[in-house]
Amino acid sequence: GENVEQHPSTLSVQEGDSAVIKCTYSDSASNYFPWYKQELGKRPQLIIDIRSNVGEKKDQRIAVTLNKTAKHFSLHITETQPEDSAVYFCAASTVGGSQGNLIFGKGTKLSVKP
Amino acid sequence: DGGITQSPKYLFRKEGQNVTLSCEQNLNHDAMYWYRQDPGQGLRLIYYSQIVNDFQKGDIAEGYSVSREKKESFPLTVTSAQKNPTAFYLCASSNSRSPPTFFGPGTRLTVL
Repeated sequence: GENVEQHPSTLSVQEGDSAVIKCTYSDSASNYFPWYKQELGKRPQLIIDIRSNVGEKKDQRIAVTLNKTAKHFSLHITETQPEDSAVYFCAASTVGGSQGNLIFGKGTKLSVKP
Repeated sequence: DGGITQSPKYLFRKEGQNVTLSCEQNLNHDAMYWYRQDPGQGLRLIYYSQIVNDFQKGDIAEGYSVSREKKESFPLTVTSAQKNPTAFYLCASSNSRSPPTFFGPGTRLTVL
């Protein structure tokens, strides 16, 4: 089955710097890669996703890149702000399959220092 | 607030007791999911349901049971067979055959 590895587990940056979180996956059939942001005690919220037919997607200060050959994808946050501090989870899934399940990485705790 | 509600927000269980966590959605989604989250861990799938009256085991179904009698509702029962139930439980929903897109606010279960 699918396995998703996420690095680093913690990341501390200064406000205004960029942050990069990386994930690798094992199942070449995976074709959907969402990223979630979870603030302390709150529900995960989808912040951006990418499908395997594109290599990069941007939404304001957030971007995701996908390398299908190497089976890894990354989240990039530019001009970080204190409100970006949270735990970020990557996930992988096979859309259109019989399950529609997500396999999650273990999360990265991002701290943005003012 | 996302169209998915979970209750209660906090739940305390004694040893040997079964408890049921509620999940309701008004998004008209066909699929519903239950995830368990432990500190420092990602979310792990317990059960999921693609349609009413049908559900499938996820990766960690042992000690849990579910029902799907209505499209809007997907309650999770944590039985006494679950050896370590203390965790944060999240319900999610999506259109059929799509990954979960909306999560509920969660229920924090603690075993006393």
